Order: sequence, then structure tokens, then C-alpha cells
Amino acid sequence: NAGVTQTPKFQVLKTGQSMTLQCAQDMNHNSMYWYRQDPGMGLRLIYYSASEGTTDKGEVPNGYNVSRLNKREFSLRLESAAPSQTSVYFCASSSGGVGYTFGSGTRLTVV
Amino acid sequence: KNEVEQSPQNLTAQEGEFITINCSYSVGISALHWLQQHPGGGIVSLFMLSSGKKKHGRLIATINIQEKHSSLHITASHPRDSAVYICADNTDKLIFGTGTRLQVFP
Repeated sequence: NAGVTQTPKFQVLKTGQSMTLQCAQDMNHNSMYWYRQDPGMGLRLIYYSASEGTTDKGEVPNGYNVSRLNKREFSLRLESAAPSQTSVYFCASSSGGVGYTFGSGTRLTVV
Repeated sequence: KNEVEQSPQNLTAQEGEFITINCSYSVGISALHWLQQHPGGGIVSLFMLSSGKKKHGRLIATINIQEKHSSLHITASHPRDSAVYICADNTDKLIFGTGTRLQVFP
């Protein structure tokens, strides 16, 4: 099925641990995004990639790194997880800023 | 940065009622998205519009660029419409409102 696939769906980390959230899309979209969603707040952009080989910071990039491995894949890494990074993370892709498709989300808890 | 605000934050309705969700923004935009987030968390894009009105089934989205305002209407609401509805400024990268939680009761 065409779409955006995120893994894992759930994760619990201890403070200081690292992990990588994976995202892959099969729609040949140029642009990919990572958002976080916190209670009472709208989704906020962490990082985005306008095309293969480029990445840029969004609104809340601190504590995260990203890699646009190829056109399909865009990963988000937490090097040293903190409780403030407890959130739901969404990956999305689009073609020229239209037709956004979202992954199903990753619920991350940092204890 | 554009401020995107939605009202109401929460909305309850009886099945069959006409629903209106409002979205206003502080800076002129080129396009606006309406999205639906299901209770399970998945997010689906409903509409992208830059002027006028769009209709898809029982959903109607309107936008008034001069007044910096958009509305999402649901006609003949149904319990399966229960979800969070989110508007987002699509001028550059998406800037999201905080969402309107809709519950439709039988």
C-alpha cells in the first residue's frame, strides 16, 4: 500500500539512551518532514528535507538529528533522550508542498 | 511567524447536526490545509484550498483570504466524524493550529 511507514509505533527509553525513528515513503515525494505532537499544542516541525541530500531545521530541532538516506527514507535520531522529548512523533511527505501524507505516528516515552 | 488559531477547542453534537469549525490566522497565506486526526492517531489530509470553497462528500471547506479566516463544515454529522480537525497554514512549511476535538453522539 502506498504511503508513509514509520517504525516503531511505541518506544520507552530511559533518560540518556539513544534511538532512531525510521520513516519511509513510496510515493516518490521530494519533501519529507518530522513533527512532534504534544498535548494542547499543534504539531511542531522538528526537521525537514526538501530533497534528497538536504536537511534543514524546523521550529524545535534541539536534541535531534536527521538523515535523508535516499529519496525514500528520512530518519530522526535522539542521541541522548530527555523526558522533555516524550511526545508523539509523525513523519510526513509531500510533493512540492501539496498532498501531504502522514505516517501513523510513534509514541515515545522517556523515563 | 503565522499564528493559527481554531475555535472551538471542543465540540459535541448530536448525530445529524450541522457542524462548523473555524480557523483564523494572523498573516496572509497562500494556501490552507484541513486535516483530520482519528482517535487512533492517524492524520489524513482533507482539503488544501487557497480561495473560495471545496466540497467532498459531507465536508465543505471555505476560505476568505481578505479576512484571514477559514471554516470547515460537516453536514448531517455522524458518530464516525468524531475526530480532531486541524487547520494548517501551507504557505511555506505547515504551521498547525491546535485542533478542534469533535464528538458526535448517536
